[in-house]
Amino acid sequence: DGGITQSPKYLFRKEGQNVTLSCEQNLNHDAMYWYRQDPGQGLRLIYYSQIVNDFQKGDIAEGYSVSREKKESFPLTVTSAQKNPTAFYLCATTGQGTDTQYFGPGTRLTVL
Amino acid sequence: AQSVTQPDIHITVSEGASLELRCNYSYGATPYLFWYVQSPGQGLQLLLKYFSGDTLVQGIKGFEAEFKRSQSSFNLRKPSVHWSDAAEYFCAVGAAGTASKLTFGTGTRLQVTL
Repeated sequence: DGGITQSPKYLFRKEGQNVTLSCEQNLNHDAMYWYRQDPGQGLRLIYYSQIVNDFQKGDIAEGYSVSREKKESFPLTVTSAQKNPTAFYLCATTGQGTDTQYFGPGTRLTVL
Repeated sequence: AQSVTQPDIHITVSEGASLELRCNYSYGATPYLFWYVQSPGQGLQLLLKYFSGDTLVQGIKGFEAEFKRSQSSFNLRKPSVHWSDAAEYFCAVGAAGTASKLTFGTGTRLQVTL
């Protein structure tokens, strides 16, 4: 079954803890993206990666970190430095020559 | 800097009525334009996209959109709305020719009354 997998669907953490969100794809896409979605604000780009072992900050990277050790995986860590981490997080990918981003199902993070 | 404006936060239409969702963009070069739909708690699904050529593009689920360069608009339309179309709709703009960053509008929530 091809596609983009984000796990878990719901995640709860205590304030001050780091948490890592998973994004895996088997589409053989080169580029991967992380977005944050808050009510009434649309999607905002956190980080993106166009090739393995390389990534760039998006518009709201503070308090987040990523790695891209494998083409299939682009995990996002929400650190304790992120002031307001409760949100819906979406991962997306783009294949070479498509210029179209395809989205995973998302992870809803709640920090208590 | 690129930007997208969706002026309608919330729209309610009756089932069977026509629909138009507005999208205005600001972009310095030839834009790539997209409409996505999101059901509650789900990811985004691509409805349609415009890269070049015919300014009227057809998408899935009976949706279409028209690119009007003079008005910097890319409005989404559907002739007859179904109850299952109730969702949130996002317009996005990106750079031509690269797998680049997208800038999204804040979304329009569509409610369909029976």
